[in-house]
Amino acid sequence: DGGITQSPKYLFRKEGQNVTLSCEQNLNHDAMYWYRQDPGQGLRLIYYSQIVNDFQKGDIAEGYSVSREKKESFPLTVTSAQKNPTAFYLCASSPGRGNTIYFGEGSWLTVV
Amino acid sequence: GIQVEQSPPDLILQEGANSTLRCNFSDSVNNLQWFHQNPWGQLINLFYIPSGTKQNGRLSATTVATERYSLLYISSSQTTDSGVYFCAVGYSGNTPLVFGKGTRLSVIA
Repeated sequence: DGGITQSPKYLFRKEGQNVTLSCEQNLNHDAMYWYRQDPGQGLRLIYYSQIVNDFQKGDIAEGYSVSREKKESFPLTVTSAQKNPTAFYLCASSPGRGNTIYFGEGSWLTVV
Repeated sequence: GIQVEQSPPDLILQEGANSTLRCNFSDSVNNLQWFHQNPWGQLINLFYIPSGTKQNGRLSATTVATERYSLLYISSSQTTDSGVYFCAVGYSGNTPLVFGKGTRLSVIA
């Protein structure tokens, strides 16, 4: 099936540990995005990539890192520098140029 | 940056009722999308509507770009319509979408 796959769905992390969230798409989309959602809030942009080997910071990039080595993959690493990482993380992709954006099912990260 | 405001923040409807959700934005945009987030967190595209009017079943949307607002209409609401409705806007090119805080809709039987 075509779509965007995020894993894991649920993740628990101890304070001080880095964790990587996976995002894979088979839609042949050029652009990929990571958003963060806190309870009762809208989505805030962490990082985005419009082309392989290039990415830009969003509004809340501090404490996060990404890579875009392949068109279909855009993993997000939540580092220990992120002060409040507990949240719902959503990956998305689009063909680019103002087209419709499509989301994965999300990953719930809890710091314990 | 661009600001997106949605109203009302919360809405409770009896099954079968109609509703109108509003999205105001602070600048000219050429990308506007409406999404529905179900109780499990999945975001589903409803409309890509930078201008004009579109309809899909019981849902329709209108964007008046010159006045910087968009409306989402839900008719004959059903319990499965419950969730959060987001409006998101963007400028030209590949600039990422900016999301409003959403309208939380609860439809009760």
